[in-house]
Amino acid sequence: EPEVTQTPSHQVTQMGQEVILRCVPISNHLYFYWYRQILGQKVEFLVSFYNNEISEKSEIFDDQFSVERPDGSNFTLKIRSTKLEDSAMYFCASSERGGRRGDTQYFGPGTRLTVL
Amino acid sequence: QQPVQSPQAVILREGEDAVINCSSSKALYSVHWYRQKHGEAPVFLMILLKGGEQKGHDKISASFNEKKQQSSLYLTASQLSYSGTYFCGTEHTGNQFYFGTGTSLTVIP
Repeated sequence: EPEVTQTPSHQVTQMGQEVILRCVPISNHLYFYWYRQILGQKVEFLVSFYNNEISEKSEIFDDQFSVERPDGSNFTLKIRSTKLEDSAMYFCASSERGGRRGDTQYFGPGTRLTVL
Repeated sequence: QQPVQSPQAVILREGEDAVINCSSSKALYSVHWYRQKHGEAPVFLMILLKGGEQKGHDKISASFNEKKQQSSLYLTASQLSYSGTYFCGTEHTGNQFYFGTGTSLTVIP
């Protein structure tokens, strides 16, 4: 069964450094999402992406964050200058048609980001 | 804006039923339900788009009361594999999406 993959599984970085988290969505999916989950807390929506542009973003997704689909398969989340509070598990998800059409979102295994 | 779930935690014996509620202070466009096991990614269970619509997934079903801005997840004849944290996700007009506070469900033999 096709699945969403994410790399790396664990990223450790120094505060102030830039990080890029990578995701490969399921190949025929058109909608892509990033979520984060701070340890022991709920999952928080960051951003959704469709047709090479952001379609929705939350208050968390400020100027420090950006997303890109650099080629036909990868979907990346960049954090420009990491802060301690960015430490979390970051999940990528994809769906074929988008939530408003009643579609399933498939989650990747996550990247654990640790900011020191 | 974050939907509130109740209860926060529940412990069941195998075979018992449970109801998890999700309540929003804002008008809802849709409700999603997810289950997350410790250390794993959330798994999408179902989405409800219309008021009053019920959907099922094996012995897990859900309802959506658009007027009350609420959704409930029903787990019947619970199995050990149902253990995990359940999150509702709510979609509102203006393209906003929020996850609920989570309900920890533990099924014991």
